Amino acid sequence: DQQVKQNSPSLSVQEGRISILNCDYTNSMFDYFLWYKKYPAEGPTFLISISSIKDKNEDGRFTVFLNKSAKHLSLHIVPSQPGDSAVYFCAASVYNFNKFYFGSGTKLNVKP
Amino acid sequence: DTAVSQTPKYLVTQMGNDKSIKCEQNLGHDTMYWYKQDSKKFLKIMFSYNNKELIINETVPNRFSPKSPDKAHLNLHINSLELGDSAVYFCASSRTGRTNEKLFFGSGTQLSVL
Repeated sequence: DQQVKQNSPSLSVQEGRISILNCDYTNSMFDYFLWYKKYPAEGPTFLISISSIKDKNEDGRFTVFLNKSAKHLSLHIVPSQPGDSAVYFCAASVYNFNKFYFGSGTKLNVKP
Repeated sequence: DTAVSQTPKYLVTQMGNDKSIKCEQNLGHDTMYWYKQDSKKFLKIMFSYNNKELIINETVPNRFSPKSPDKAHLNLHINSLELGDSAVYFCASSRTGRTNEKLFFGSGTQLSVL
């Protein structure tokens, strides 16, 4: 029973355009969400996070949006660059437990 | 200087064998984890240790035994390997293990059981 789902296994975007990666979750107790980026043969690296008390968090070209009523979060990358091509994982945890539930990832390909 | 390093990177072995994966972090973190990436690509937590003490122990066969000699090391020993154990295993660490801390991952160990 997967509590975090990324229903798009892959996404292809032209350089300079916006990339939107989506993530859905089922557990209403989740209150902290992260996005990780993973290149081949490397471990996931932290990208951006959001707490449930916010609905938006920005860091440079990356913005994460949280819609708690829909149990949905999204990662926007603007503008997309070829170096952003990687697998993106979303993850969620419940307050007071540093135990993360991960989605299955979305492979982003940014075409030059 | 790699923050979280795990060895070996690749491990190919026969069913029934016993193998170990080693992990070390030089970040000074108190908590370390083992995650398994299954065939459907989900990353699932297996264990976490805080200062050598077992904190999280998910429903994992008891053929898997973590060992933490000190807070900078968390090794994973697997007995009687089975075909279904084939996966990528990631070690990770976080500063204190308290809530809302990001994880720092190693580069993974791809285990293939033949």
